[in-house]
Amino acid sequence: LAKTTQPISMDSYEGQEVNITCSHNNIATNDYITWYQQFPSQGPRFIIQGYKTKVTNEVASLFIPADRKSSTLSLPRVSLSDTAVYYCLVGDGPLDSGTYKYIFGTGTRLKVLA
Amino acid sequence: NAGVTQTPKFQVLKTGQSMTLQCAQDMNHNSMYWYRQDPGMGLRLIYYSASEGTTDKGEVPNGYNVSRLNKREFSLRLESAAPSQTSVYFCASRVTWSYSYGYTFGSGTRLTVV
Repeated sequence: LAKTTQPISMDSYEGQEVNITCSHNNIATNDYITWYQQFPSQGPRFIIQGYKTKVTNEVASLFIPADRKSSTLSLPRVSLSDTAVYYCLVGDGPLDSGTYKYIFGTGTRLKVLA
Repeated sequence: NAGVTQTPKFQVLKTGQSMTLQCAQDMNHNSMYWYRQDPGMGLRLIYYSASEGTTDKGEVPNGYNVSRLNKREFSLRLESAAPSQTSVYFCASRVTWSYSYGYTFGSGTRLTVV
């Protein structure tokens, strides 16, 4: 069951801002949108999570429009070390129960060039 | 360090052999998950455990069994390994009472079946 759709890959240059957009047309009313980063040979790492409007932390910003059918992860001034796969996730199952789980898509493979 | 610990990190099996992948978390999380990741692909859910004493099938459960030994530990067993089970296996955990928190992943077990 496909829950999210995002671009397969993106290239960027060091110092640029990167925006990765994700489509989640069937998001549940009170579900959150979560982004993970995965480096080769490592487990995914939590980046940012939001419900609506804008969320910012020390790593990224997350923009969510009012209809919540999409979201955009923004990485400011990327460096070579930001080369990774980025996953956009929404949940599946009852939201506040243990059966709540993520279904991963293929993610967006970001390559940062010097 | 708090987190999710997986053992072993690497394993080579012959077709037909059995083995158990171990996972333990020390964050007092209720829910635990096993995913597999094939080369160039996203993560696919094998089994999950909403709480101690319960387990449920995910997207790709065939060929696997799980045990939620206690709140901390969630093991994945391959009874008769097949080359198609060559993959990287990730264990994850999360709190149950709030859907606004994401997973914490382990560092993975790289399994090769020859």
